[in-house]
Amino acid sequence: DQQVKQNSPSLSVQEGRISILNCDYTNSMFDYFLWYKKYPAEGPTFLISISSIKDKNEDGRFTVFLNKSAKHLSLHIVPSQPGDSAVYFCAASASNDYKLSFGAGTTVTVRA
Amino acid sequence: GAVVSQHPSWVICKSGTSVKIECRSLDFQATTMFWYRQFPKQSLMLMATSNEGSKATYEQGVEKDKFLINHASLTLSTLTVTSAHPEDSSFYICSARDQRGDETQYFGPGTRLLVL
Repeated sequence: DQQVKQNSPSLSVQEGRISILNCDYTNSMFDYFLWYKKYPAEGPTFLISISSIKDKNEDGRFTVFLNKSAKHLSLHIVPSQPGDSAVYFCAASASNDYKLSFGAGTTVTVRA
Repeated sequence: GAVVSQHPSWVICKSGTSVKIECRSLDFQATTMFWYRQFPKQSLMLMATSNEGSKATYEQGVEKDKFLINHASLTLSTLTVTSAHPEDSSFYICSARDQRGDETQYFGPGTRLLVL
């Protein structure tokens, strides 16, 4: 049973514009959420995280928004750059269990 | 900071042989490390949780006798694929959690295993 879902398998955006990636979860015990970026044949690179006590966390061009009532989070990348083209994974964990549950990933392509 | 390395980065072996993959946290101590497997165009699948000084915890459907995990120190976990078969060919990735930090896991670069 997929507890973390990324319903958009791909996203294409023009350079300089905003990329918005969405993620939904079903497990109400999740209280920590992360976004990772991954290139083929490489390990995921940590981008940004948010704990359930917050609804927004910002780090440079990356902002994560959390809507606990809707069990939904999103990652905003602005402005998008060609180097942002990669697969983005949403992940979640519960504080009593450090295991991460991953979404299926969204492939972002930034067009010049 | 928070660098995790894996060795080897890729390995080709004959069916029936065993392969050991190392995962090291280079600049932090990790009481807990995790081993994942990724099939082409799929998400990461957690195989097991590696606990320093104790037995690993395996996810449902993962054979513990097939995938031996040892976490002998706070900076090193090893995954041994025993009697490898072609269906074990995959991309294996480890991650580590800084014991002093939050729940963020930092991932290694992965190991590509091809069993002939």
